[in-house]
Amino acid sequence: GQSLEQPSEVTAVEGAIVQINCTYQTSGFYGLSWYQQHDGGAPTFLSYNALDGLEETGRFSSFLSRSDSYGYLLLQELQMKDSASYFCAVLSSGSARQLTFGSGTQLTVLP
Amino acid sequence: GAVVSQHPSRVICKSGTSVKIECRSLDFQATTMFWYRQFPKQSLMLMATSNEGSKATYEQGVEKDKFLINHASLTLSTLTVTSAHPEDSSFYICSAGPRGAFYGYTFGSGTRLTVV
Repeated sequence: GQSLEQPSEVTAVEGAIVQINCTYQTSGFYGLSWYQQHDGGAPTFLSYNALDGLEETGRFSSFLSRSDSYGYLLLQELQMKDSASYFCAVLSSGSARQLTFGSGTQLTVLP
Repeated sequence: GAVVSQHPSRVICKSGTSVKIECRSLDFQATTMFWYRQFPKQSLMLMATSNEGSKATYEQGVEKDKFLINHASLTLSTLTVTSAHPEDSSFYICSAGPRGAFYGYTFGSGTRLTVV
């Protein structure tokens, strides 16, 4: 099976940098993905790491260390609109390529 | 980019009735679609994997006779909640992605089901 751990809440101020960590235990790992979800909305894809290292997409970056079963999402130049829940998700290596989600981190950005 | 359409967005039904939720891939073919359930302030829990032309694969603890999944075409999967009860009230979301390399699955807008 899969289990993922991430902090439940993070608070930061506008313009700051925040890092959301994710550790995972899995029986079949293909990659780690990150999603953003605003209240009442659908999750939206942010990033994906299949290999070790850092992937940068604008203000958001994601890192993966397969040997440590660890990844993080880095959000820079925080804006109020970044207040949302952030989920890490493991993409399984099975034929169905399922995503298993972590419990989510509620990010609150303060003015 | 890949677009997934989900309907209805909200539905209120009486206890004991059935509700059908549709999930369509608009600009790509999806041999596999995924159905999730999310309670307030909680994570997305995978309910089942919908496979075009074959039976769905259900996660442990999900009643396949209660949550009927049909994936009759490459662009449409449906989830029917049968004999709904108040405890089935939740946010149901589907997701899918084009075949081939993974670039992130796209989620439908979700269906807020309230059973009264």
